[in-house]
Amino acid sequence: ETGVTQTPRHLVMGMTNKKSLKCEQHLGHNAMYWYKQSAKKPLELMFVYNFKEQTENNSVPSRFSPECPNSSHLFLHLHTLQPEDSALYLCASSQGPKGNEQYFGPGTRLTVT
Amino acid sequence: AQKITQTQPGMFVQEKEAVTLDCTYDTSDQSYGLFWYKQPSSGEMIFLIYQGSYDEQNATEGRYSLNFQKARKSANLVISASQLGDSAMYFCAMREGRIQGAQKLVFGQGTRLTINP
Repeated sequence: ETGVTQTPRHLVMGMTNKKSLKCEQHLGHNAMYWYKQSAKKPLELMFVYNFKEQTENNSVPSRFSPECPNSSHLFLHLHTLQPEDSALYLCASSQGPKGNEQYFGPGTRLTVT
Repeated sequence: AQKITQTQPGMFVQEKEAVTLDCTYDTSDQSYGLFWYKQPSSGEMIFLIYQGSYDEQNATEGRYSLNFQKARKSANLVISASQLGDSAMYFCAMREGRIQGAQKLVFGQGTRLTINP
């Protein structure tokens, strides 16, 4: 399934930079998610959007700022990150009440220097 | 408290053998869902199989089956006739309920499966 795309695939940024991650789903789903996957830690849910409305913020620091302009697009704006924020950031989507599984994108490998 | 426990950090299996990946979960909800995902080195999480808490039959999808033992709170993944392409990280996850129509999944630490030729 390649219905969820993410750009860029790799990103290296300094701690003072501002960058954005983009996610797009072509599946007609209602809900979109951001996850963080760090080495040796379980996948962590960051944000949940349902019909463009944020329904979950899992105690994520304010240096991560999500944006969901419509049900197909999801952004994660990054600013003044820390080296410990280096991780794989995965986007996912799901159908909503009738759907079970989440479909994931390939992820963005972020390195903060 | 950890909600999803995968006790096998790594497993090595000969090609064509069957393999069982362990997963135990903890929840007080009556309605929940259990998932298995595969993550190859490319990074993408690939959905494999789903089991609902009220499903009486074990879920099956091709070579994948889920051994669901509700009383023991276990949801082991069984891969029959393993192939070299099955080498990947495997994650067990649980849906804790729905958030206004969306899902909240909790993932385990994962098991790295290596298939030897």
